[in-house]
Formats: sequence, C-alpha cells, structure tokens
Amino acid sequence: EVQLVESGGGLVQPGGSLRLSCSASGFTFSSYAMHWVRQAPGKGLEYVSAISSNGGSTYYADSVKGRFTISRDNSKNTLYLQMSSLRAEDTAVYYCVLKSGYYWGQGTLVTVSS
Amino acid sequence: DIVMTQTPLSLSVTPGQPASISCKSSQSLLHSDGKTYLYWYLQKPGQSPQLLIYEVSSRFSGVPDRFSGSGSGTDFTLKISRVEAEDVGVYYCMQGIHLPFTFGPGTKVDIK
Repeated sequence: EVQLVESGGGLVQPGGSLRLSCSASGFTFSSYAMHWVRQAPGKGLEYVSAISSNGGSTYYADSVKGRFTISRDNSKNTLYLQMSSLRAEDTAVYYCVLKSGYYWGQGTLVTVSS
Repeated sequence: DIVMTQTPLSLSVTPGQPASISCKSSQSLLHSDGKTYLYWYLQKPGQSPQLLIYEVSSRFSGVPDRFSGSGSGTDFTLKISRVEAEDVGVYYCMQGIHLPFTFGPGTKVDIK
C-alpha cells in the first residue's frame, strides 16, 4: 500500500524558515518524480514544486522560486521541501504527491504569522 | 501556464440523480505520445484530494463505475451516473502535460 506521510509543518514568523519532509513507502521511491502541492485555507490547489526521480531536475512555481528548495534522499525514501523567507501567503496545507497526483499524503499545515 | 476552468462551481444534487462537471483547458492536453493528460480528483471534507480519473477516462483503482470521464483536446467532462451521499466534496480537474501542473477552481457538490 502506497503511503506518503508529511511532517515538519507548524507556526513560523514571516521571514522564517521551515523544512517539510515526506516519508514514502509501498512503492519504489527512487523510480518516480515527486511533487509538492499546497492549499491555502478554504482555497483551491496550487502547484509548488517537482523533482525528478534521481533528483537531477527540479521545478518551482514562480510564487516560490528562489525561496523554496526541493530535494530527495532515495536511500531514505524521503522527499523534502526547504522553505525560507516565508510570507503570510505561504500559509497552507502542503501535500506530498506521487506522479501526477496518483497518491497524496495527508498534508502538513504551515502557518506564517507573527 | 495552462489555465483550467470548471463549470459549474457548485452543484446540488438529489441522491440517485446524475451530475456532470465540465472542465476546459487553455491549451490542448494531447501529448505527442498520444495520451491526454487530464485528471479528475475529489476532495472530500477534511481529506486530501483523491484521484478518480486519469488520462481523461481511465478510472483509478477502487473508483466506482458510476464515475466516468470523457473529452478530448481542451474540453472534458466528469459524469456521475447516480450521485450518492459519499460523493459530496470538491471536484478538481488538473492538467498534467506541462509544468506547472494546474488545477481548475473546483466544483463543490452537495446533496439536496
């Protein structure tokens, strides 16, 4: 059974940093591209970032480019999202997503507020 | 970026009756590999989105056959043949042909 479990969310002040993790199991993690998608409270879904199966290629939405860094450790079956220079508008539930949304984690809430 | 639109944005359905949601993309979602990368998701209240339909019309594992997808190019439709109480939530379409993947605004479905 595919499982994606996010962690690392919490309350952070504007300008602060946070690192999200996504622990994967139930499939060959190193074979698949992975994605981060977020959802602001009461809003729709927004694509954030992607990483290729070997980590050699990454993509960022314009809204997070230069502030967020996606990475993965295939030996640990874990996906990461390092977030810095956080803004109030980054407040959202962050989902770890396998392939083109075939499987989603339960999400982790990031709240940026003073 | 590819813009995805959905109509209607909300739908109230009597149990047992059909429902239909339209999704349009600003560019064709037909890839040179012959596949069309259009997906449908349902986000039930308090839950993560779950995949219903991939590549326009293929039902994902465990999805009831009352859900069906159709369309081509830029126009797509999700149909529920007989709505059940467990089908309430927000339905999203998503294009997966070009990064960034983009989502429709969502269609909120509730039961009359």
